[in-house]
Amino acid sequence: GAVVSQHPSRVICKSGTSVKIECRSLDFQATTMFWYRQFPKQSLMLMATSNEGSKATYEQGVEKDKFLINHASLTLSTLTVTSAHPEDSSFYICSARGQGGSGYTFGSGTRLTVV
Amino acid sequence: KQEVTQIPAALSVPEGENLVLNCSFTDSAIYNLQWFRQDPGKGLTSLLLIQSSQREQTSGRLNASLDKSSGRSTLYIAASQPGDSATYLCAVDKAAGNKLTFGGGTRVLVKP
Repeated sequence: GAVVSQHPSRVICKSGTSVKIECRSLDFQATTMFWYRQFPKQSLMLMATSNEGSKATYEQGVEKDKFLINHASLTLSTLTVTSAHPEDSSFYICSARGQGGSGYTFGSGTRLTVV
Repeated sequence: KQEVTQIPAALSVPEGENLVLNCSFTDSAIYNLQWFRQDPGKGLTSLLLIQSSQREQTSGRLNASLDKSSGRSTLYIAASQPGDSATYLCAVDKAAGNKLTFGGGTRVLVKP
């Protein structure tokens, strides 16, 4: 089945630094990638949608200059949290959808802790 | 704006009982409805996907029904096991390739 590999699974960084999270679709071409954020015991909140080769579409209230998304190829999308602050600490999950209208495949998530 | 609600928010049952998880959505114009499982600190695993033209999907002990007109889906898990303990999330999308709208999830605990 379709697999999305997400790295790193866990990262701790100092306040003010930037962190990059990668998501790769291993056996299919991900025409669309979605990035979610999840707070403890809450559901997933969509941050942005990216299509390969074009700029990401951000949800209302999500700062595009803080959460940089790149989807330069059909198998790789990255989320960079710039100038991270403790309130950015959260669980970030990517999701990919291939061509043909199939379901969504999720990465294993990244636990970001900003100290 | 689509809103997805899952009831109950939490459920605890003894091993062997059947589980019934409910999901409702406000806008019946959906493309797909998908059920996911999430273990603590992990990503989501897709369980079942029901296209809008379908009424149910089955996989092993899992069965999901969809009543699009009433905006409801139910996930049944037969003969529950402790390994079924997890959070179950339902989500809908409006069109192919469109974003998913998630429910708040149901946290399930199956006691041995």
